[in-house]
Amino acid sequence: DIQMTQSPSSLSASVGDRLTITCRATQSISTYLNWYQQKPGKAPKLLIYAASTLQGGVPSRFSGSGSGTDFTLTITSLQPEDFATYYCQQSYSTPYTFGQGTKLEIK
Amino acid sequence: QVQLVESGGGVVQPGRSLRLSCVASGFTFSSHSMHWVRQAPGKGLEWVALISLDGGNKYYPDSVKGRFTISRDNSKNTLYLQMNSLRAEDTAIYYCARDLGFTYGRPFDLWGQGTMVTVSS
Repeated sequence: DIQMTQSPSSLSASVGDRLTITCRATQSISTYLNWYQQKPGKAPKLLIYAASTLQGGVPSRFSGSGSGTDFTLTITSLQPEDFATYYCQQSYSTPYTFGQGTKLEIK
Repeated sequence: QVQLVESGGGVVQPGRSLRLSCVASGFTFSSHSMHWVRQAPGKGLEWVALISLDGGNKYYPDSVKGRFTISRDNSKNTLYLQMNSLRAEDTAIYYCARDLGFTYGRPFDLWGQGTMVTVSS
């Protein structure tokens, strides 16, 4: 099975900050990497798929990059509504696996 | 509108069975593979099952293989998850999710609101 590791597991940031979350796979997954945002009590929401393609309706301050085993999610100019938990997920092969999540909190 | 609505969750004793349903609306259900994903209380996301467009292919992680069965009825726009021999560690919110398709790298682009399953004596 492919294991996905996110870092950091949590971080505190302020409105207007720029931040990066990293995700690493235990083997190459090409660009079969997706990012989701989840707010408390809500279902996950797709932000980015195929490593760098922004899902429709997602603000352009979100961006993704990477291929192979190393990926990043970047949020420029954090907004209050961005404080949530973020998950990466590989859809290269079953069992599809998620990272453990990165909880973004307000500083 | 485009949505997925799960039902069927509840409290069940260890070793018993439960069937979850997910009704799709607002899109062509038969054109998408579908998934179940679960989330234990306070924990991360775990993929549980995948079914192909016509139901001919099904995939599971080892944690549920042999106990859970995914199925679909395209005439009813409904996805199912039959869960047998339930264990305490199966306690979670269960989400159904739509697969956007292989062309796009198979992300899960539409999620239901989830249904809670609690396995407890």
